[in-house]
Amino acid sequence: QKEVEQDPGPLSVPEGAIVSLNCTYSNSAFQYFMWYRQYSRKGPELLMYTYSSGNKEDGRFTAQVDKSSKYISLFIRDSQPSDSATYLCAISNTGNQFYFGTGTSLTVIP
Amino acid sequence: ETGVTQTPRHLVMGMTNKKSLKCEQHLGHNAMYWYKQSAKKPLELMFVYNFKEQTENNSVPSRFSPECPNSSHLFLHLHTLQPEDSALYLCASSQAGAPNTEAFFGQGTRLTVV
Repeated sequence: QKEVEQDPGPLSVPEGAIVSLNCTYSNSAFQYFMWYRQYSRKGPELLMYTYSSGNKEDGRFTAQVDKSSKYISLFIRDSQPSDSATYLCAISNTGNQFYFGTGTSLTVIP
Repeated sequence: ETGVTQTPRHLVMGMTNKKSLKCEQHLGHNAMYWYKQSAKKPLELMFVYNFKEQTENNSVPSRFSPECPNSSHLFLHLHTLQPEDSALYLCASSQAGAPNTEAFFGQGTRLTVV
C-alpha cells in the first residue's frame, strides 16, 4: 500500500469554479501535511502547510486535514486560469521523510 | 526564488559523458534531498543528507553519485547514464526536527540522456 494516494486527474473546470483536490494516506502517525503547486517545467512550490488536524485558509486556498479518516483536501475558490498546474500533496513525520502523491493536473478554462 | 538554487536548468548528455548537478540552499536547513520526477510518476526519493551525512540511499544505481560537502551544498555526479534516466531532477531542503518541517524545492534540472 502506498503511503499517499492521489487521483492524478486530469481535472478541468471553468473559471470561477470551486476546485476540490484530495489525498488519502495510510499511516496515522503522520503529523505534517503539505500541498505543493507545480507549473510545467518548474519545481514544486509550497502552497499550504498544516500541522495535525483542522483547516487552514490563505486567500482563495483552504487546506483541510481529517486525521480520523486519513484524508486531506485542498479547496480553491474562484479558480483562475493561473491556477492551472499540477498539485501535489505531501505528508511528513519528523521533517526528514516526505511522501508525495502522484499529483493532480488541473486546468482552469477561461 | 525559493531559497534553493539548482544548476544547470537544462542538461543534455550522452551515455558516455560525466556531468554534475549542483544544488545550493540559502535557508539554513540541515537536511537536503535529491528527487527524480518522471512523467506520470510520483516523486522518487533518491538520497537524503542530514548534517552532511547520507542517511538514505533509495536503491539508486551507482551511476548516480551524491556529494554533500557542507550543509548548504549538494551535488549529484552522473556517469554512463541510460536514456531512461532522462527526467527532472529536483533538489530540496528542510529543517529536520523543527516545528515547521516543510520541504522547499529548487526549480530542477531537466536532464535528457541521448
